[in-house]
Amino acid sequence: GAVVSQHPSRVICKSGTSVKIECRSLDFQATTMFWYRQFPKKSLMLMATSNEGSKATYEQGVEKDKFLINHASLTLSTLTVTSAHPEDSSFYICSASEGTKNIQYFGAGTRLSVL
Amino acid sequence: KQEVTQIPAALSVPEGENLVLNCSFTDSAIYNLQWFRQDPGKGLTSLLLIQSSQREQTSGRLNASLDKSSGRSTLYIAASQPGDSATYLCAVTRYSTGNQFYFGTGTSLTVIP
Repeated sequence: GAVVSQHPSRVICKSGTSVKIECRSLDFQATTMFWYRQFPKKSLMLMATSNEGSKATYEQGVEKDKFLINHASLTLSTLTVTSAHPEDSSFYICSASEGTKNIQYFGAGTRLSVL
Repeated sequence: KQEVTQIPAALSVPEGENLVLNCSFTDSAIYNLQWFRQDPGKGLTSLLLIQSSQREQTSGRLNASLDKSSGRSTLYIAASQPGDSATYLCAVTRYSTGNQFYFGTGTSLTVIP
């Protein structure tokens, strides 16, 4: 099956720093990528939808200046958590879908801990 | 807005038992429904995908059913094993809002040896 690589798997940073998370589709072209956030013992909540070459569409309540999403190529999307604070600590997961196929492939997730 | 609910939130069973996890969704206009497994601190592993035109899918000891008109899906696990312990998530996609998933609240399963 298709593979989506997410990096890093875990990051610990100081409050105020920015963190970049990468999501790559390894063997297919991902026209659309999605970023989810998961709070402890909660389900995944969609943060934004990212289409290659265009601005991301953010879900209500998600700060676009806080969570910068770039989808510069058909195989790479990045999520940058700017000026991270402890409340941004969470598990972030990306997914990618290929063309018109309505199947998503998920990355392994990134555990962000902000001290 | 689509809302997906899973019952029970947590389930503990002895090894060998058959069990059923439930998923319900408020809007029946779905494209497909997928069941995932998530181990603690890990990403998602896709278990079964049911297209809206299908009624069930089977893989090994797992069987998922879909009743789109009533907004329900079940995941049946036969002869449970300790290795089945994980959180199980169902998710649906919908035509009108692209193909992003709406995830359920999850069922945390513990299979006791």
